[in-house]
Amino acid sequence: SQTIHQWPATLVQPVGSPLSLECTVEGTSNPNLYWYRQAAGRGLQLLFYSVGIGQISSEVPQNLSASRPQDRQFILSSKKLLLSDSGFYLCAARLGALSYYGYTFGSGTRLTVV
Amino acid sequence: DQQVKQNSPSLSVQEGRISILNCDYTNSMFDYFLWYKKYPAEGPTFLISISSIKDKNEDGRFTVFLNKSAKHLSLHIVPSQPGDSAVYFCAALYNNNDMRFGAGTRLTVKP
Repeated sequence: SQTIHQWPATLVQPVGSPLSLECTVEGTSNPNLYWYRQAAGRGLQLLFYSVGIGQISSEVPQNLSASRPQDRQFILSSKKLLLSDSGFYLCAARLGALSYYGYTFGSGTRLTVV
Repeated sequence: DQQVKQNSPSLSVQEGRISILNCDYTNSMFDYFLWYKKYPAEGPTFLISISSIKDKNEDGRFTVFLNKSAKHLSLHIVPSQPGDSAVYFCAALYNNNDMRFGAGTRLTVKP
């Protein structure tokens, strides 16, 4: 079965500091990978998605970036965090091109920027 | 551009009664709809889905209804149980591309 690992689970970072969140996927190859953010009291906002190594599409212009250095690794980064970057970050994967069971999500990272 | 909307941020029902969660969408090209359940500090988990060519899908206590003309879908939970208390997200897929989520509805089932 497909498993998604995210770390760290919680993170408190000062404004202006860098960020690196990592996501790895097991049990599948060449998955579509996604980064979502859930801000307080809001829904799930798609930030980035990737259909393959080195292929990143951005949904929302911001000071975050994503990279996919390996097939099953997806990284979310920032050079300088803003207070507005606080939220719950979720990595998700979809197996193959026709998966009507939607996405499998990781357990998330709670980021608090202070 | 919020293509999937859940206008009720919260819902409270009594154990054993029916819970009805609603979702509206604007993009008529969506061809698949899904419901996810999320507990605090966890990732969402898939609950039930429905194709746009159907109007109902049932799985145990969970039933999803789709009204394409109204661009509306709903999730019915019967009977509701305290363990159903969670945030429920409605989501929609178009042409197998990325999924769009609603803002979520927090369901509280009281014993």
